[in-house]
Amino acid sequence: AQSVTQLGSHVSVSEGALVLLRCNYSSSVPPYLFWYVQYPNQGLQLLLKYTTGATLVKGINGFEAEFKKSETSFHLTKPSAHMSDAAEYFCAVSVGGNEKLTFGTGTRLTIIP
Amino acid sequence: GAVVSQHPSWVICKSGTSVKIECRSLDFQATTMFWYRQFPKQSLMLMATSNEGSKATYEQGVEKDKFLINHASLTLSTLTVTSAHPEDSSFYICSAAPATSREQYFGPGTRLTVT
Repeated sequence: AQSVTQLGSHVSVSEGALVLLRCNYSSSVPPYLFWYVQYPNQGLQLLLKYTTGATLVKGINGFEAEFKKSETSFHLTKPSAHMSDAAEYFCAVSVGGNEKLTFGTGTRLTIIP
Repeated sequence: GAVVSQHPSWVICKSGTSVKIECRSLDFQATTMFWYRQFPKQSLMLMATSNEGSKATYEQGVEKDKFLINHASLTLSTLTVTSAHPEDSSFYICSAAPATSREQYFGPGTRLTVT
């Protein structure tokens, strides 16, 4: 079975600073990896995903993530935080041709003006 | 494209009554739909997976007789919470996946409050 660990349930960064949200996964087969963002009382929006191929994945709103198999990681970064980035972020994994997603516990990102 | 809607967005019901939540894929056909439950400030927990025209597959610990799922068409799935109790109060989110993609498209969620 696959699992996802998100280190840091809360992360605060200053506006304009680097955003780094950590995600490690466990899977016995090559995973598909996702980052989603959730704003209050809303559903999830896909930021980016890794399936196969290039390990550096660029997503919407200036976010990107790098798949590192040796570290079983898929950390999310953004060079310069914006106030609108304040939200809950979820890392997720799916494997084996099944669309079933396993989510991490989420990281709440706060942006300090 | 790939829009998923949920109705209602917010519902309050009395303990013991049943409530139905609809999930629709508006611009694509969803062979598979998923229902999640999210408690405040927690992650999404998959409740069940439904495929059009077949019975839903429930995750361990989810009462299939309490959470009735119907996926009658390629664009509509419903979740009925039967004999609701206050502990069923939660945020319910559906997602839909087309046959051609591994990607799930999420609805905006339904907040259920049972009084």
